[in-house]
Amino acid sequence: GENVEQHPSTLSVQEGDSAVIKCTYSDSASNYFPWYKQELGKGPQLIIDIRSNVGEKKDQRIAVTLNKTAKHFSLHITETQPEDSAVYFCAASTFRDDKIIFGKGTRLHILP
Amino acid sequence: NAGVTQTPKFQVLKTGQSMTLQCAQDMNHEYMSWYRQDPGMGLRLIHYSVGAGITDQGEVPNGYNVSRSTTEDFPLRLLSAAPSQTSVYFCASSHEGSRTEAFFGQGTRLTVV
Repeated sequence: GENVEQHPSTLSVQEGDSAVIKCTYSDSASNYFPWYKQELGKGPQLIIDIRSNVGEKKDQRIAVTLNKTAKHFSLHITETQPEDSAVYFCAASTFRDDKIIFGKGTRLHILP
Repeated sequence: NAGVTQTPKFQVLKTGQSMTLQCAQDMNHEYMSWYRQDPGMGLRLIHYSVGAGITDQGEVPNGYNVSRSTTEDFPLRLLSAAPSQTSVYFCASSHEGSRTEAFFGQGTRLTVV
């Protein structure tokens, strides 16, 4: 089945700098790649997603890139702000078995 | 609009006890799923359902049962709780399978002693 690896597990960046989180997946049939943000004490919330027919997608300060050949995708957050501090999860899903598999998460700290 | 509602929010069980974690959604979503979240392990899929009457196993199904008699409800049953099942449990729903946005509940923190 699908396996999603996520790095780094912890990331600290200065406020205003950029943050990058990387994920790799194993199943070449995966075609949907969402990113979720989880704040303390809450359930995860979708922040951006990308499908396999697209190489890059942007939404204000957040962007996601996908390299299908290398089977990896990345989350980019620019001009980081204190409210970006949270745990971020990448995930992958296929049509084949209709499961969504998550990475282990990245705890992002924005330093003042 | 309540979204996905999980009850209870906190629960302490003794080893060997049984209980049901409740999950209800009011968005008429066909797809529902259960995850457990453990430190350093991310979100692991326990069971999922693509519609009423249909359930399937995820990554870590052992020790858990589910049923889906209605579109709205997807309860998770622990038949004989074990300390290894101490975790935070999240229920999620989405409109069209695993390839659309999943809406998560607030979670149930379960401790098995």
